Amino acid sequence: GDSVTQMEGPVTLSEEAFLTINCTYTATGYPSLFWYVQYPGEGLQLLLKATKADDKGSNKGFEATYRKETTSFHLEKGSVQVSDSAVYFCALSPRGSSNTGKLIFGQGTTLQVKP
Amino acid sequence: EAGVVQSPRYKIIEKKQPVAFWCNPISGHNTLYWYLQNLGQGPELLIRYENEEAVDDSQLPKDRFSAERLKGVDSTLKIQPAELGDSAVYLCASSFRTGAEAFFGQGTRLTVV
Repeated sequence: GDSVTQMEGPVTLSEEAFLTINCTYTATGYPSLFWYVQYPGEGLQLLLKATKADDKGSNKGFEATYRKETTSFHLEKGSVQVSDSAVYFCALSPRGSSNTGKLIFGQGTTLQVKP
Repeated sequence: EAGVVQSPRYKIIEKKQPVAFWCNPISGHNTLYWYLQNLGQGPELLIRYENEEAVDDSQLPKDRFSAERLKGVDSTLKIQPAELGDSAVYLCASSFRTGAEAFFGQGTRLTVV
């Protein structure tokens, strides 16, 4: 079945460092891909998304590119801030005949940014 | 505009007791989801509603879990009886329609002792 695999955390970085969180997926067809973020004490929030191959999603300085050839959707940010400390979830939503809006999540990666 | 509202935020119960969680989706959102999030894991879908109809409940353990969405607005998820392994965060989400962006509530953290 469809699945998402994220890199293990926690990821600990100093402020202004470059961030990469790896995400790969297994899916039938061409799913939509998402990154969600969960700040402490808050609900999941959509960070960015991409709906087709080679699309780049971006928001708040974060970017991710839908790579069909490597089935990946890695999250990047050029300069992280302490306020970016959160848990990041990669997710996919199957499309086509099985388009249900259902989200399949990875296990999450905790990011800690130190001043 | 208010987001998805869930209550309670936290619940501690003894095993074998019943428990219920409530969700009020964003106004106008026809699709409602309940997800289960175990510690250190990503959320997993339990059930999806289109208006008042449960259109995907294949992952809902029906021996002890039940859900309803009366009038196609608020929803309740119930566990009876609760087991120790049910300790988790229960998330509710809603979207304007199937396939549109889903908005999540803050979740209910259940601890079964």
